[in-house]
Amino acid sequence: QQQVRQSPQSLTVWEGETAILNCSYEDSTFNYFPWYQQFPGEGPALLISIRSVSDKKEDGRFTIFFNKREKKLSLHITDSQPGDSATYFCAASEATEGADRLTFGKGTQLIIQP
Amino acid sequence: NSKVIQTPRYLVKGQGQKAKMRCIPEKGHPVVFWYQQNKNNEFKFLINFQNQEVLQQIDMTEKRFSAECPSNSPCSLEIQSSEAGDSALYLCASSLPGSGNTLYFGEGSRLIVV
Repeated sequence: QQQVRQSPQSLTVWEGETAILNCSYEDSTFNYFPWYQQFPGEGPALLISIRSVSDKKEDGRFTIFFNKREKKLSLHITDSQPGDSATYFCAASEATEGADRLTFGKGTQLIIQP
Repeated sequence: NSKVIQTPRYLVKGQGQKAKMRCIPEKGHPVVFWYQQNKNNEFKFLINFQNQEVLQQIDMTEKRFSAECPSNSPCSLEIQSSEAGDSALYLCASSLPGSGNTLYFGEGSRLIVV
């Protein structure tokens, strides 16, 4: 049972375009949604995150749009650069005061063509 | 620029051999997670600790995997008898409890079981 789904599996956009990566989840108790960026041979690095009380979070060229009713979110990368080529993982958890584990999607491999 | 240090980066083991990986969490982070990332990019939660105490672990971990986080020593994950299906990237992450589950990952230890 896949709790967090990502689409597309792979995405290619031209340099300078906006890349849109999609994520959906099933568990309505999830309230924290980080996106991780992973380059080949490296561990995942936190890119940007959002809590369910917000519907948008922006950090430079990266923006998360969140729709709680539909249990969907998306990561928009504007002015895409070749250095953004990586695999992006959407994750989710029910964040409490404890040490709750994240549930990850299977990732979107993003390729930016120069 | 990971502040979570994992060693070794790579290890090759024969089936039935022990495989041991170590992790030094980010300074001041009492919570440590171990995840397994397979070749299909699927993340599987294995175990987490707060200080030296196990918080959660999955069944697989209870049977062939062992892990500990002793005080003043690196955390470790050991596979008692490696199987081909254990070939994967083993990721250690650390966090502060109540921080909304912001996990900081290391570069990972890639295990190849031949």
